[in-house]
Amino acid sequence: QITMKESGPTLVKPTQTLTLTCTFSGFSLSTSEVGVAWIRQPPGKALEWLALIYWDDDKRYSPSLKSRLTITKDTSKNQVVLTMANMDPVDTATYYCAHRLGIRSWALDIWGQGTMVTVSS
Amino acid sequence: EIVMTQSPATLSVSPGERATLSCRASQSVSSNLAWYQQKPGQAPRLLIYGTSTRATGIPARFSGSGSGTEFTLTISSLQSEDFAVYYCQQYNHWPPITFGQGTRLEIK
Repeated sequence: QITMKESGPTLVKPTQTLTLTCTFSGFSLSTSEVGVAWIRQPPGKALEWLALIYWDDDKRYSPSLKSRLTITKDTSKNQVVLTMANMDPVDTATYYCAHRLGIRSWALDIWGQGTMVTVSS
Repeated sequence: EIVMTQSPATLSVSPGERATLSCRASQSVSSNLAWYQQKPGQAPRLLIYGTSTRATGIPARFSGSGSGTEFTLTISSLQSEDFAVYYCQQYNHWPPITFGQGTRLEIK
């Protein structure tokens, strides 16, 4: 059984860097074709994809946020970390990590519960 | 970037009736389209991937169809637990992977 769980600060100040950790179980990020994505959702709004990382450490970012995002993995700890620099109040959202369904598909079959991040001074 | 447009924004349907939700892509996404259900305070749940394949544990009353730029999610006989927000997602041309703005399915 695959589980995903996000953790990180609930409140950050404008201009600070946000660091979120996704801790997962039930799969290994060293297994071929496995991937993990980050998605966010501002209150009352739609989902927005942020970044993803593959088992081979290949990474992709949302073009609109690329300059601010970094995604990394720690296979030994079963974790994926997302950092977002220069936080702004518009970045207030629930942040989710999710597991890739499988080969040739970036449908996301298992999601974490999400972690709400508020950006405010 | 591929823009996903869902319609209608809100759909009012009575329990037991059929619901039809639409999703349009700004360019062809082949069959690389997924649907998610999201209830208040919960994470999205994968319903359909590859346009028409139900995810594990999803009831048969949920079905997906379409190709290219026009896609449909049909719920054949609405149950009380089906009232939620539904999102489509394309994963054909990326980055970025993109989602629609959602359709809220409410009780009539």
